[in-house]
Amino acid sequence: NAGVTQTPKFQVLKTGQSMTLQCAQDMNHNSMYWYRQDPGMGLRLIYYSASEGTTDKGEVPNGYNVSRLNKREFSLRLESAAPSQTSVYFCASRASVREGLEQYFGPGTRLTVT
Amino acid sequence: DQQVKQNSPSLSVQEGRISILNCDYTNSMFDYFLWYKKYPAEGPTFLISISSIKDKNEDGRFTVFLNKSAKHLSLHIVPSQPGDSAVYFCAAKSSYGQNFVFGPGTRLSVLP
Repeated sequence: NAGVTQTPKFQVLKTGQSMTLQCAQDMNHNSMYWYRQDPGMGLRLIYYSASEGTTDKGEVPNGYNVSRLNKREFSLRLESAAPSQTSVYFCASRASVREGLEQYFGPGTRLTVT
Repeated sequence: DQQVKQNSPSLSVQEGRISILNCDYTNSMFDYFLWYKKYPAEGPTFLISISSIKDKNEDGRFTVFLNKSAKHLSLHIVPSQPGDSAVYFCAAKSSYGQNFVFGPGTRLSVLP
């Protein structure tokens, strides 16, 4: 079991470029999440998918789009990268919407936008 | 305005002693709380949780205490070990949504 995997691990983009961050989980979890972590601010939710076929905005969705490709995969797209999107991005999954079930996180993607 | 606060950015403790990490929240709708631990260049890993119907939950060396009236929770690590050195995040959630709200984290250093 690999758990939650993310690609790439590191990426440098120029302002205005686009890219897609990939996330996959092999735990048969229903819910998947994208967070960003900035210094002194903890993790902030960008988008989530409660189940296959659904996606919803989180706290900081502007500048991002997501696709829940299937139950395993949840991708995050930056259409036109901005320096403010320099951050560490974490994908997470969770078994179901029932209470008492924790999230499992991937190792993160460190993105720099110049 | 941060709904989940961890007012100590860092904490140093001697090996073998107790580590106490604190977390305060403002949203009275939160009824489920978690602690995560994060090592550098890794994702957060789940440590322990507590629901609002309890005031204490224990798992080995880790105990979480919840004081609902004060909107305060704390994580106790006894005894502290050098491998516990990491950043600890407090997170909270309401039953009514999917959103987990994270605090900014506290960096714990356990000195040998």
